[in-house]
Amino acid sequence: AQSVTQLGSHVSVSEGALVLLRCNYSSSVPPYLFWYVQYPNQGLQLLLKYTTGATLVKGINGFEAEFKKSETSFHLTKPSAHMSDAAEYFCAVSDLKSSGDKLTFGTGTRLAVRP
Amino acid sequence: EPEVTQTPSHQVTQMGQEVILRCVPISNHLYFYWYRQILGQKVEFLVSFYNNEISEKSEIFDDQFSVERPDGSNFTLKIRSTKLEDSAMYFCASSDSGGGNQPQHFGDGTRLSIL
Repeated sequence: AQSVTQLGSHVSVSEGALVLLRCNYSSSVPPYLFWYVQYPNQGLQLLLKYTTGATLVKGINGFEAEFKKSETSFHLTKPSAHMSDAAEYFCAVSDLKSSGDKLTFGTGTRLAVRP
Repeated sequence: EPEVTQTPSHQVTQMGQEVILRCVPISNHLYFYWYRQILGQKVEFLVSFYNNEISEKSEIFDDQFSVERPDGSNFTLKIRSTKLEDSAMYFCASSDSGGGNQPQHFGDGTRLSIL
């Protein structure tokens, strides 16, 4: 079965600082990987995805993530944090079982941005 | 931009009562999902639905749960006899194709509170 590990349930950065949210996955086959963001009292919004091709993927709001197969990682970064980035971030992997394509989520990382 | 809509936003129900959560997926999408998020925990897959039948379900999705697409636009989750542990945020999602590489689009969720 697929699994996702997000190191750090809470991350705090200063406005303008680098954001790094970590995600590692386990998979016996090449995965499809996603980052979602959840703002308070809202649903999950897709930030970016990796399926095939270029391992560095760019998403919305200046975020990007790099798929590193050798490290089984898909860390999310943003060069300069903004106050509006404060939210919960979820890494997810798509299950490649033939019967379906469910998402398996990590436990989430809550990002706080200090002024 | 098209979006997934869920109603109600908050449902309060007595234990043992039936509850129906409603979702209107994006109109041209063919794959539908329910997930839940117990407070403070990660998002968990419940069920996927395609071509008017369940394609996959988790161990959480027991006989108390059912899904239905009663018409061309709605997708519902029914819990027959609610338990305290069913209290959670329930998210509906849809995607335009299967195969795991297409992103799932999420609604804002229904917060279910069982008393």
